[in-house]
Amino acid sequence: GAGVSQSPSNKVTEKGKDVELRCDPISGHTALYWYRQRLGQGLEFLIYFQGNSAPDKSGLPSDRFSAERTGESVSTLTIQRTQQEDSAVYLCASSLDRENTEAFFGQGTRLTVV
Amino acid sequence: AQSVAQPEDQVNVAEGNPLTVKCTYSVSGNPYLFWYVQYPNRGLQFLLKYITGDNLVKGSYGFEAEFNKSQTSFHLKKPSALVSDSALYFCAVREGTGGFKTIFGAGTRLFVKA
Repeated sequence: GAGVSQSPSNKVTEKGKDVELRCDPISGHTALYWYRQRLGQGLEFLIYFQGNSAPDKSGLPSDRFSAERTGESVSTLTIQRTQQEDSAVYLCASSLDRENTEAFFGQGTRLTVV
Repeated sequence: AQSVAQPEDQVNVAEGNPLTVKCTYSVSGNPYLFWYVQYPNRGLQFLLKYITGDNLVKGSYGFEAEFNKSQTSFHLKKPSALVSDSALYFCAVREGTGGFKTIFGAGTRLFVKA
């Protein structure tokens, strides 16, 4: 596609439920990132995938969070047993397989846990 | 591990005046530095980057940034601010030899008054 696509754009879920967020990167971008942005705050690094290398999961806040990527395409971020503190905008970005290239961001998924 | 600091939560400037948004960073190797802008209800957009070469980098919408290695800074500047520049600005850093992990600052909200 022309840009990074995320779905759903909005998600309201009950506390304790699992949610799955999806990201379609720009075609040909082998690097993919997930960030969390709480209301009025900065971007918190969660995880990134680089080609076929093992992902850098150092930013995942707890074992309730996990992410997968199928080859060099779609990625899903899963949050199990959601808590109210998980409410935030989850942003996905992708970039070319070069360290000096900028990332292109999706519009994000706004997650609200009630 | 890399880190980035934006010391100002908010910057206020009058239209037509020059603006500066500050950023300092910490990396163990050579830095790759980026500025992104987030307009209300829109995704993050890339503004400019420093990879190597000239310390003064020019980017989109008339913005520029100056890389200062001795001060580990990468301040964003614009000679004449516009009301439409009002937005949330993020500085980001990636270690030059550390893969694609990109860390963002907390963001600085810029208000330009007419």
